[in-house]
Amino acid sequence: KQEVTQIPAALSVPEGENLVLNCSFTDSAIYNLQWFRQDPGKGLTSLLLIQSSQREQTSGRLNASLDKSSGRSTLYIAASQPGDSATYLCAVHTGNQFYFGTGTSLTVIP
Amino acid sequence: DGGITQSPKYLFRKEGQNVTLSCEQNLNHDAMYWYRQDPGQGLRLIYYSQIVNDFQKGDIAEGYSVSREKKESFPLTVTSAQKNPTAFYLCASSTAAGAYEQYFGPGTRLTVT
Repeated sequence: KQEVTQIPAALSVPEGENLVLNCSFTDSAIYNLQWFRQDPGKGLTSLLLIQSSQREQTSGRLNASLDKSSGRSTLYIAASQPGDSATYLCAVHTGNQFYFGTGTSLTVIP
Repeated sequence: DGGITQSPKYLFRKEGQNVTLSCEQNLNHDAMYWYRQDPGQGLRLIYYSQIVNDFQKGDIAEGYSVSREKKESFPLTVTSAQKNPTAFYLCASSTAAGAYEQYFGPGTRLTVT
């Protein structure tokens, strides 16, 4: 069964710092990997989707990379802002289901 | 506006009662999903459906039931057999081919006392 791990579970950084969130998965047979943001008590908002044939995707200050062979993805956030404070989750799609990590809770300190 | 709606936002029930959570989407997606989120445990899949009138159990289906009579709707019933129903429930949809990008509703917080 696919297992998805996100480390660290929590991260605090000062405003303006660049940061990297990590996501690892045990089975490399995936269709895609998706990064989400979740604010407290809210649903998930899709940030970036990387297809299995792609190496990276970019949207504004966000850049996500995918290394299927090693079972890893990273989400790079440039010039962090207090509004980036949220929980970030990654999910992999295996053809039938999505498997989620437990998330990284990010706090950006003004 | 295209999206997924879930109602109600908050739901309170007494133990022993069945309760149905609503999920509607106007994204024309074939696939729909129900997840449960508990603190520190991430999202766990309850049921999913890739086509009307068909659905499959996820990892934690016991004590839950679903129906998929219309493409737009995928209601979840939490039955009295679910031992620990208090949780945050999230509905999602995606295409059943191609990119499979998943979109989520705002969630329903169910409290059973």
